[in-house]
Amino acid sequence: GENVEQHPSTLSVQEGDSAVIKCTYSDSASNYFPWYKQELGKRPQLIIDIRSNVGEKKDQRIAVTLNKTAKHFSLHITETQPEDSAVYFCAASILTGGGNKLTFGTGTQLKVEL
Amino acid sequence: DGGITQSPKYLFRKEGQNVTLSCEQNLNHDAMYWYRQDPGQGLRLIYYSQIVNDFQKGDIAEGYSVSREKKESFPLTVTSAQKNPTAFYLCASRAGIAYNEQFFGPGTRLTVL
Repeated sequence: GENVEQHPSTLSVQEGDSAVIKCTYSDSASNYFPWYKQELGKRPQLIIDIRSNVGEKKDQRIAVTLNKTAKHFSLHITETQPEDSAVYFCAASILTGGGNKLTFGTGTQLKVEL
Repeated sequence: DGGITQSPKYLFRKEGQNVTLSCEQNLNHDAMYWYRQDPGQGLRLIYYSQIVNDFQKGDIAEGYSVSREKKESFPLTVTSAQKNPTAFYLCASRAGIAYNEQFFGPGTRLTVL
């Protein structure tokens, strides 16, 4: 089955700096890669996703890049703010007729310091 | 926070007892999922259901059971066969084949004493 590795497990940055979280996946058939943000005590929420036919996707201060050959994808957050502090999870999936089973990474605790 | 709900928020049970966690959604979503979240291990898929009266095992189904008798409901039973049931359980739903995003419920924290 699919295996997703995520690094680093913790990341501390100064407000205004950029943050980068990296994930690798094992199944070359995976074609959908979402990123979820989970604030303390709350449910995970999708912040951005990318499909394998696209190399990069941006949404304001966040972006995701995908390298299919190397089987890795990354989340980039620019101009970090204290409200960006949370746990971020990457995931990989094969979009099929209906399953869309997500395999998650182990999460990155991001702390944005003032 | 509406749309997908889980109850209760906290649940305590004695070892050896079965317990059922509730998941309800009013989003008219076809697919529903159960995940288990443990510290440092991310989310792991227990069971999922694409349509009513059908469900499939995920990666860690042993010791769990589900039913999908109604579109809006997908209860999870943690049986006494689950060796380490204490965890945070998250339910999710997805609209259908043409939609990718999974929406999560608020979760149930189960503690087995």
